[in-house]
Amino acid sequence: DQQVKQNSPSLSVQEGRISILNCDYTNSMFDYFLWYKKYPAEGPTFLISISSIKDKNEDGRFTVFLNKSAKHLSLHIVPSQPGDSAVYFCAASERSSGGGADGLTFGKGTHLIIQP
Amino acid sequence: EPEVTQTPSHQVTQMGQEVILRCVPISNHLYFYWYRQILGQKVEFLVSFYNNEISEKSEIFDDQFSVERPDGSNFTLKIRSTKLEDSAMYFCASKLLAVQETQYFGPGTRLLVL
Repeated sequence: DQQVKQNSPSLSVQEGRISILNCDYTNSMFDYFLWYKKYPAEGPTFLISISSIKDKNEDGRFTVFLNKSAKHLSLHIVPSQPGDSAVYFCAASERSSGGGADGLTFGKGTHLIIQP
Repeated sequence: EPEVTQTPSHQVTQMGQEVILRCVPISNHLYFYWYRQILGQKVEFLVSFYNNEISEKSEIFDDQFSVERPDGSNFTLKIRSTKLEDSAMYFCASKLLAVQETQYFGPGTRLLVL
């Protein structure tokens, strides 16, 4: 049961253009969403997040959009740079009954390749 | 910038042996986590820990696994009798506050069970 889905295993984008990575979720209890970037043999690095009370969050070249009715979020990277080449994971957390020690549910990741 | 550290970076062990993976979370963080990633698969939540006890655990976290915070800085994951299918990258993460706060991950320990 994939509660968080990233349907594109890979994406190739030309340097300077916009990269759009997509993520869908099925669990309506998810209320916080995060994007992580991961290089081989390293841990996930936090990129940007969004709360379910918002529909957009922007940080420099990175913008995350949330469409709750469609249970869809996307990460936009503009302009794309060679250093952006990595695997990008979408992750979500659920309202917990108490304590807030919620584990993240990850998607399978999208390998973004920025071509010069 | 503070970061989560993990040791060892690589561990090779024989099936049936016990392993202990170590993590030093960010110093003022209160919530601690272990995740694993089997090669080619997604990152999976194992367990969360707060106030010196397990808060939440997944189906993966069975009786073979245990976690401990033996002192004020270390957070450990013990696998009592390793199986071949325990081979994976194990990531530790920590976060500061309760709800809607980002989890920060360590670089991982690559465990290979032979």
